[in-house]
Amino acid sequence: DGGITQSPKYLFRKEGQNVTLSCEQNLNHDAMYWYRQDPGQGLRLIYYSQIVNDFQKGDIAEGYSVSREKKESFPLTVTSAQKNPTAFYLCASSIMGGVGNQPQHFGDGTRLSIL
Amino acid sequence: SQKIEQNSEALNIQEGKTATLTCNYTNYSPAYLQWYRQDPGRGPVFLLLIRENEKEKRKERLKVTFDTTLKQSLFHITASQPADSATYLCALPFSGGYNKLIFGAGTRLAVHP
Repeated sequence: DGGITQSPKYLFRKEGQNVTLSCEQNLNHDAMYWYRQDPGQGLRLIYYSQIVNDFQKGDIAEGYSVSREKKESFPLTVTSAQKNPTAFYLCASSIMGGVGNQPQHFGDGTRLSIL
Repeated sequence: SQKIEQNSEALNIQEGKTATLTCNYTNYSPAYLQWYRQDPGRGPVFLLLIRENEKEKRKERLKVTFDTTLKQSLFHITASQPADSATYLCALPFSGGYNKLIFGAGTRLAVHP
């Protein structure tokens, strides 16, 4: 079955440590996205990529980094510069199309906590 | 800037009744609007997309309306079931393009037997 796989499901970060969240999709989608979800808030866009080897900052990119070396993979690194990393992180993908008319397909998230 | 508002209070209804959720937006005239369902600890799942020239769209027990004058979308679940209990998110395309979406915070629906 096609879909998006995020791993790990739970992750703990020590102070000063960088951690990487994995996101893999086999939907053959060009566009991929990373969101952060905090209680009572909407999904906030961290980074997005429309094509391999290209990505753009979203609304809250500070303290995060990404790479897009393969179409199916879009890992997110939470760096030590992100002072409040505790959140639920969601990866999504979509086909490219007109503005806003393509649904996004989501993984089941990674919950990151500080030790 | 674009703003999306969904009722932050949970909606509690009795099984069999119709649930109606509201999505209001400001400072924007989107060409599309999307609705997603999210279960606890899971990622959102796409439900329906409605275009600005479509006043209403249906899918099984789901119905979405889109009033561009009121800047509002209503999401209805008829004959609701306990299995419909979840958080429902609306999303609008980012006005700057790039296939980006702006999501509301969602409304939690609880259907009681």
